[in-house]
Amino acid sequence: QSALTQPPSASGSLGQSVTISCTGTSSDVGGYNYVSWYQQHPGKAPKLMIYEVSKRPSGVPDRFSGSKSGNTASLTVSGLQAEDEADYYCSSYAGSNPYVVFGGGTKLTVL
Amino acid sequence: QLQLQESGPGLVKPSETLSLTCTVSGVYISDSGYYWGWIRQPPGKGLEWIGTIYYGGSSYYNPSLKRQVTISVDTSKNQLSLRLSSVTAADTAVYYCTRQRSDWSFDYWGQGTLVTVSS
Repeated sequence: QSALTQPPSASGSLGQSVTISCTGTSSDVGGYNYVSWYQQHPGKAPKLMIYEVSKRPSGVPDRFSGSKSGNTASLTVSGLQAEDEADYYCSSYAGSNPYVVFGGGTKLTVL
Repeated sequence: QLQLQESGPGLVKPSETLSLTCTVSGVYISDSGYYWGWIRQPPGKGLEWIGTIYYGGSSYYNPSLKRQVTISVDTSKNQLSLRLSSVTAADTAVYYCTRQRSDWSFDYWGQGTLVTVSS
């Protein structure tokens, strides 16, 4: 069982928006602004999409946004495109023991 | 351009030690401000953080693996290494080498290498 809880699946139609949640505790998500999100296509390595809750690395489209409220972080993908279909993982700094925890992943389907 | 490339045996016998190397190109491991580490993903499952090291010597491990794991760096070869002892079938996974930022996000990943534990 993963330390952070994500819905196993999410879906949205082309052009629409979808939000994926990531729920932790006050010891991880709620305690630090060190939440990150990763996109993983089948057979590929994960790719960093969001860091420090809401910041985008260079090259990541602004259709991807992140936020946090209490112990729950969220990733929103706006203007869904076919290439957004992938697995998405959240992670959070957890202070120590362990220092980093991941969510179980959410499979995003673009209809 | 920064690249990470994992290498090592694809098959390890139970109770033996898994050893992987990650060769870093495009940047020096000793560049300040970044950490380096390993993350694994069992087939069809999610990601699990294994551990992190700073070139200066500080290391951090997942407590669930701490007794098995050693991560080290060789700055002369610009490589980092992973050793996981006493492996079982549960250690079968794709192992990724990563660069870790100070905010504990992972901004560069190797392509990953599948290690199967089986007799």
